[in-house]
Amino acid sequence: DTGVSQDPRHKITKRGQNVTFRCDPISEHNRLYWYRQTLGQGPEFLTYFQNEAQLEKSRLLSDRFSAERPKGSFSTLEIQRTEQGDSAMYLCASSLPIQGFANEKLFFGSGTQLSVL
Amino acid sequence: AQKVTQAQTEISVVEKEDVTLDCVYETRDTTYYLFWYKQPPSGELVFLIRRNSFDEQNEISGRYSWNFQKSTSSFNFTITASQVVDSAVYFCALSGPPGMNSGYSTLTFGKGTMLLVSP
Repeated sequence: DTGVSQDPRHKITKRGQNVTFRCDPISEHNRLYWYRQTLGQGPEFLTYFQNEAQLEKSRLLSDRFSAERPKGSFSTLEIQRTEQGDSAMYLCASSLPIQGFANEKLFFGSGTQLSVL
Repeated sequence: AQKVTQAQTEISVVEKEDVTLDCVYETRDTTYYLFWYKQPPSGELVFLIRRNSFDEQNEISGRYSWNFQKSTSSFNFTITASQVVDSAVYFCALSGPPGMNSGYSTLTFGKGTMLLVSP
């Protein structure tokens, strides 16, 4: 059973550059989430997909951020014109809703650590 | 607005000691869900437990136990006979009822408590 996979593990970029991260969820999971975590803080919700539909976006997600899940499988998160404040761990999670249960448990990847210089 | 407070930033114990991690939450929802996640040094958050607001029974799973008290809005986590492998950051999280359209409700995490268990 392979877990949630994220690539790359680390990314260093210069301010103003664009970056893209990839997440491969657990294969049968139709729900996918992106979170951001900064040092000493808990994860903050960014966005949520059910299959290929992006159903929720946080107000934290500025116009420079865009996420896609084109075929309902893997997802990409792109940050355009990166700023130093974008430096954080970007976490992806997936889940499979179980009938009768709301807010099912999430399976997280190890994250992509972004450093913007 | 929802809020989760984990007042303990860091706890250090010696192996075999019992330790309790505190979690206090705020919500206006009558239906809500509480979670604990563990984040080891590898970075991958691992689900430990989910509890809904209508189930106030305490739960025990091996060395782990959880005490849910609605009267004090607390959902505390106790590790009995701690082990070095328990060293991690532990997050308490809260969500409301799932949205009608999205089927999901945002998880609000606390800032976490770092637990260091030394041999």
